[in-house]
Amino acid sequence: NAGVTQTPKFQVLKTGQSMTLQCAQDMNHEYMSWYRQDPGMGLRLIHYSVGAGITDQGEVPNGYNVSRSTTEDFPLRLLSAAPSQTSVYFCASSLSQNSPLHFGNGTRLTVT
Amino acid sequence: GQQLNQSPQSMFIQEGEDVSMNCTSSSIFNTWLWYKQDPGEGPVLLIALYKAGELTSNGRLTAQFGITRKDSFLNISASIPSDVGIYFCAGHSGGSNYKLTFGKGTLLTVNP
Repeated sequence: NAGVTQTPKFQVLKTGQSMTLQCAQDMNHEYMSWYRQDPGMGLRLIHYSVGAGITDQGEVPNGYNVSRSTTEDFPLRLLSAAPSQTSVYFCASSLSQNSPLHFGNGTRLTVT
Repeated sequence: GQQLNQSPQSMFIQEGEDVSMNCTSSSIFNTWLWYKQDPGEGPVLLIALYKAGELTSNGRLTAQFGITRKDSFLNISASIPSDVGIYFCAGHSGGSNYKLTFGKGTLLTVNP
């Protein structure tokens, strides 16, 4: 049972480039979410999804897009990377909205 | 929005000592969760609390859901070197708009 799988583990982008961070879970969880972790800021919610076809904005959604075409996958897209998006990104999922989250191991992104 | 104040920010202790950390909220929470994050990995759930006054143990870890529903604490007894990491509290206020709010974390260092 792989749990929550994130790829890639590391990525370096130049300002203005676009990319997609992948997230997949094999636990049949309805709820999925993306967080970014920055020093001294804790974990901040970017976008979340309560089920396939449904997404909503979190605390810091600007500069990011998401889609949820299947229950298993929840990719995060950076449309035009900025240095302020340098961070560690975590995908998390849970059985339902009120269940504890299971986290992936993160993607460390650097934008130069 | 909701805010979680987690303290202390960091702790340096000797192996064998007991540790206590806590979180306070500006609003009432229905759920309190405690996570631990090891370097280079995602947070892992330690304890989940669902009722005011609830006291739950997981090995050497004990956590309580405060009676006012605005606070929670985590105790670690007889610390060992592998307890090193960042501990996060998180809370959910309930309702249909599920968003888990995280504290900024407590960095624990254990000296052997």
